[in-house]
Amino acid sequence: GQNIDQPTEMTATEGAIVQINCTYQTSGFNGLFWYQQHAGEAPTFLSYNVLDGLEEKGRFSSFLSRSKGYSYLLLKELQMKDSASYLCAVNYGGATNKLIFGTGTLLAVQP
Amino acid sequence: DSGVTQTPKHLITATGQRVTLRCSPRSGDLSVYWYQQSLDQGLQFLIQYYNGEERAKGNILERFSAQQFPDLHSELNLSSLELGDSALYFCASSVGVQGRDGGELFFGEGSRLTVL
Repeated sequence: GQNIDQPTEMTATEGAIVQINCTYQTSGFNGLFWYQQHAGEAPTFLSYNVLDGLEEKGRFSSFLSRSKGYSYLLLKELQMKDSASYLCAVNYGGATNKLIFGTGTLLAVQP
Repeated sequence: DSGVTQTPKHLITATGQRVTLRCSPRSGDLSVYWYQQSLDQGLQFLIQYYNGEERAKGNILERFSAQQFPDLHSELNLSSLELGDSALYFCASSVGVQGRDGGELFFGEGSRLTVL
């Protein structure tokens, strides 16, 4: 199977830090991606991890542990505009690049 | 604007009917993906094409079919429509098929299908 698990919803306060976790089945793993999707809009790419460790990009960072089948997205200095759904996606394709998405975590940022 | 164009944006039809959704990828992207998004199931991978050939298949129903044409645009055909097919259908494109190039997808705005 290719189950990808994320919390359904999270709430955080403006200016705070929030960590969104993602676990996945490791068999066939070939890279992990995070996407942001605002309500009624298309998903947009945030980050890519293929090796263990932390990738930092401004206020957003993403971490990967391949042996544990675990990733997290860290959002710092939260802003109201960060209220969105965050989708974890895993490339299970090998040569064919089948990108499978989790159901997403709906983040609500409160003042 | 991602550069990916999908038409139509909205479509309302009846059960048993057939519809065609169209997608034009970003200029230079060879890979096209189709996803279905419904409220209770998130983004479901349907099918992927690369340079005109089918590369990967997800949970695409037999009633659904797709193709990518020589000019790289793609069409998703949905037939014998059922109420449960109502969803947002996204097309996405990418530069390649490996590594970051294969997973950094650029999504169109989607085609919202309502089956009555």
